Amino acid sequence: SQKIEQNSEALNIQEGKTATLTCNYTNYSPAYLQWYRQDPGRGPVFLLLIRENEKEKRKERLKVTFDTTLKQSLFHITASQPADSATYLCALVGSNNNDMRFGAGTRLTVKP
Amino acid sequence: NAGVTQTPKFRILKIGQSMTLQCAQDMNHNYMYWYRQDPGMGLKLIYYSVGAGITDKGEVPNGYNVSRSTTEDFPLRLELAAPSQTSVYFCASSVTGFGYTFGSGTRLTVV
Repeated sequence: SQKIEQNSEALNIQEGKTATLTCNYTNYSPAYLQWYRQDPGRGPVFLLLIRENEKEKRKERLKVTFDTTLKQSLFHITASQPADSATYLCALVGSNNNDMRFGAGTRLTVKP
Repeated sequence: NAGVTQTPKFRILKIGQSMTLQCAQDMNHNYMYWYRQDPGMGLKLIYYSVGAGITDKGEVPNGYNVSRSTTEDFPLRLELAAPSQTSVYFCASSVTGFGYTFGSGTRLTVV
């Protein structure tokens, strides 16, 4: 069966450090991989999308990598700030574009 | 520009009751989706629609029904509510099938 696994439920880091979150998948051939941010009591907010033929994507302090051989995506937040504290979700979209499947998320806490 | 609007925000249902969760978007998006999110779990896709008049099942459709008579609206119907349907429900929309815009959710409790 298809599985999307995010490496840890919670990650605590110090302000200014780089946070690295992992998303692994099995029995899936995604055309796109996306990352979302979710704050408590709110809906997810789209951050970044990376296509299967792209290795890396950047947006301000965010960087996403996508390795289809390892079936893994890494999500980096550089120079982290307490305001980056949230749950981060990875999501995969198949080639039909018709639905997206989510991982359970990693709760990031950035301590001042 | 309201984005995706979900109503109600909270609801308590008794076992066996029915209700409709409303979702409306004003961005002229063709794609719309319903997800449920249980504590510690990822979002699970219930139903989706790629345009008015077209709907399809997702991962967990049992106990739910949808309709899409207009581009703007995508209501989710719960028939014969069960405790297992206690969850937070999110509606989302997108232009091309990625970069979803989510609503703020409906927290449903079935007692």
